[in-house]
Amino acid sequence: DAGVIQSPRHEVTEMGQEVTLRCKLISGHNSLFWYRQTMMRGLELLIYFNNNVPIDDSGMPEDRFSAKMPNASFSTLKIQPSEPRDSAVYFCASSGAQGLGYTFGSGTRLTVV
Amino acid sequence: DQQVKQNSPSLSVQEGRISILNCDYTNSMFDYFLWYKKYPAEGPTFLISISSIKDKNEDGRFTVFLNKSAKHLSLHIVPSQPGDSAVYFCAAWMSSGNTPLVFGKGTRLSVIA
Repeated sequence: DAGVIQSPRHEVTEMGQEVTLRCKLISGHNSLFWYRQTMMRGLELLIYFNNNVPIDDSGMPEDRFSAKMPNASFSTLKIQPSEPRDSAVYFCASSGAQGLGYTFGSGTRLTVV
Repeated sequence: DQQVKQNSPSLSVQEGRISILNCDYTNSMFDYFLWYKKYPAEGPTFLISISSIKDKNEDGRFTVFLNKSAKHLSLHIVPSQPGDSAVYFCAAWMSSGNTPLVFGKGTRLSVIA
């Protein structure tokens, strides 16, 4: 298994543009987590899914952020419109059990100018 | 309101010496604790964990100590090696709450040769 795969690795976009981050889970994992890493807040949970169902999106900073899991192996995180303060590294992680055995992707470094 | 706190953003240690990374938590319902290690441009990877029924867990050069009464855990690396230079995240889990891992902000360890 290739692990959790995120794309793109880097994204530079202009303020106001739509950004879509992608994540492919490890086969057999049924939980999916989106995290954002910043210097100020460290690793903060944005949203997580169990069996494709969003469980808690209270970490999503604003309505500009949305996430979907159209099938058991794939998820997207969309920011529309993007703002400079969204610049961060976004990670997704999957696990077969909610608390343990997280496998993280390599992250997407987003820069909004 | 941070439930998991790593109060030292950075730590510098000489090669061969002991590195001690600290973590405090506020929620007494947490019963499992993990340390993740993160290299630049990579996702966090699992390092070591401890259940609340133990006060120590050792894996090679890495030992995690848990003091439940103080709600404090620490990661000891002995001896420290230059390859240990990374960001270390402390994480906590509540098995009864069926909730995701809660991460601290991380501590950047630099091991100087």
